[in-house]
Amino acid sequence: SSELTQDPAVSVALGQTVRITCQGDGLRNYYASWYQQKPGQAPVLVIYDRNNRPSGIPDRFSGSSSGNTATLTITGAQAEDEADYYCNARDSSNDHNYVFGTGTKVTVL
Amino acid sequence: QLQLQESGPGLVKPSETLSLTCSVSGGAISRSPYYWDWIRQPPGKGLEWMGSVYWSGATYYKPSLRSRLAISVDTSKNQFSLKVNSVTAADTAVYYCARMDMTHVFDIWGQGTMVTVSS
Repeated sequence: SSELTQDPAVSVALGQTVRITCQGDGLRNYYASWYQQKPGQAPVLVIYDRNNRPSGIPDRFSGSSSGNTATLTITGAQAEDEADYYCNARDSSNDHNYVFGTGTKVTVL
Repeated sequence: QLQLQESGPGLVKPSETLSLTCSVSGGAISRSPYYWDWIRQPPGKGLEWMGSVYWSGATYYKPSLRSRLAISVDTSKNQFSLKVNSVTAADTAVYYCARMDMTHVFDIWGQGTMVTVSS
């Protein structure tokens, strides 16, 4: 099965921009979706189909993709954006299976 | 508004079978084109997709778990279930049920339930 790799941790100053990347061969064929998870809570979908936001997700969250890399960008990070972020995509070797990225801890300074 | 709720034992003995149920409220589980999934997260670790079931009963499993996994759906009760047999400590995790929509994203999640495998 395919793998999706993320940096373990990134930090961002309050109000600045942070980019979280997700790399994997499967991303050449399928869009990534992105999930935010705060401690003790279930994940929440923040971006899907490369750059679509569900209702209620602030527009400071955006997504992009190029080659084997998907990127989640938070423009003007807020304290409440401190969380773990996971990418997810269909498995390139079996499109009925799904793979999560390794996760990135975002700290807002 | 659709809601998902996991239920089941919080403690399972090694070598036994872990059984969880996800109850769906606010909408019919048989409504197309949604799939119903199980995802788990060991303490302090990342998310792991386990498998999917369609309302018709069609299932898809993560290959490394396929031999120990069974996911089923009961449309009459509007719920779906997970069984993991021959559990070990490595199966200790928070187990989430989730709905997957036609864009292949998990748009609705249950709150999760912690299952510990220990004697």
